[in-house]
Amino acid sequence: SQQGEEDPQALSIQEGENATMNCSYKTSINNLQWYRQNSGRGLVHLILIRSNEREKHSGRLRVTLDTSKKSSSLLITASRAADTASYFCATASNDYKLSFGAGTTVTVRA
Amino acid sequence: DAGVTQSPTHLIKTRGQQVTLRCSPKSGHDTVSWYQQALGQGPQFIFQYYEEEERQRGNFPDRFSGHQFPNYSSELNVNALLLGDSALYLCASSFMGGGGNIQYFGAGTRLSVL
Repeated sequence: SQQGEEDPQALSIQEGENATMNCSYKTSINNLQWYRQNSGRGLVHLILIRSNEREKHSGRLRVTLDTSKKSSSLLITASRAADTASYFCATASNDYKLSFGAGTTVTVRA
Repeated sequence: DAGVTQSPTHLIKTRGQQVTLRCSPKSGHDTVSWYQQALGQGPQFIFQYYEEEERQRGNFPDRFSGHQFPNYSSELNVNALLLGDSALYLCASSFMGGGGNIQYFGAGTRLSVL
């Protein structure tokens, strides 16, 4: 079963617009991570936010975490065609495994 | 610096057969995790190996087994294949002392069971 759930399932935006996706999870966590997957290939780590952090930035990415609501959001600013991919949140409760959501498919139109 | 490599890229098997997938971790990594990703779903944790032992296992039957070698590479074995085992199998490596459990993924092995 999936630990997290992403919302929306799919998102289509124009190049240059911002893309926001949300993730909810069920159990307590040590950290939450976001990964990107292009066309059913391997996943690429984007950003990690620890349970005692509320917001984190990396380039055009902004992640927030609300542990009281068990939710996180990923914002991609000034989107590019190369951002077209599936985005997954993954929660880490210990050092052993990541629990992934079902993902948000983002399509950036030129 | 080579990343995580998996072989083979694609595999076609029939029901009841057995399959072995292979993974070489990123240089400097000592931990290997395996995930199964069905079409349209997120990856599901199968198990993780560290120091040649299985540290934790997800909700998968005993038909799924693995091994880690002294050079940290790993194999995933699946016996008595079912149609439902068709999926992308992902290997991920990490460094146990790295903190945060950031995992580096290979490109995956696409298994089709007919």
